[in-house]
Amino acid sequence: EAGVAQSPRYKIIEKRQSVAFWCNPISGHATLYWYQQILGQGPKLLIQFQNNGVVDDSQLPKDRFSAERLKGVDSTLKIQPAKLEDSAVYLCASSLVEDRASDTQYFGPGTRLTVL
Amino acid sequence: GQSLEQPSEVTAVEGAIVQINCTYQTSGFYGLSWYQQHDGGAPTFLSYNALDGLEETGRFSSFLSRSDSYGYLLLQELQMKDSASYFCAVIGDLSGNTPLVFGKGTRLSVIA
Repeated sequence: EAGVAQSPRYKIIEKRQSVAFWCNPISGHATLYWYQQILGQGPKLLIQFQNNGVVDDSQLPKDRFSAERLKGVDSTLKIQPAKLEDSAVYLCASSLVEDRASDTQYFGPGTRLTVL
Repeated sequence: GQSLEQPSEVTAVEGAIVQINCTYQTSGFYGLSWYQQHDGGAPTFLSYNALDGLEETGRFSSFLSRSDSYGYLLLQELQMKDSASYFCAVIGDLSGNTPLVFGKGTRLSVIA
């Protein structure tokens, strides 16, 4: 079974530039998550999709971050404009069902973003 | 709000047993999960506890005490490949109003 795919793996941009990340979840997984992981910290949930609808985006900085999951499969996360503090690894995860209590999340390899 | 506390670093000898503790403060609580993350890698799921007691999966076990807002991950027969960061994560509720919250992680170093 193929895992969660993410691209690019690495990205370096100047502050105030825009950047986009792509995620393709495990086939058949209805729920998709985007996390931000700053060095030395745990992942922080940015947004959760159930199929193509948003379930939770309470921690997404909506003035600069946006995400979409058209057709309920792959997803893109965009930052516009980027700030220095956005330097982090952006992780995508998927799970089979919405029940977060018992459902395992499968993580992709992440995109390491460096903002200069 | 929700917060989790776990030690930042732990060092243990190969073949030994190590326990990584996690205490939490949450407005709601449904379950506690543990994830492992090697340097440069993605987090991988280890275990989940919703009820008090011990869950065992091979060399790894996880314990939960809901009354004490406390859990731990127990790693037995440590191997060098167990050197990684370990995160506890709390699920506050099932409504979608409370996101899954991760602790800051415990970096485990296994030495010979």
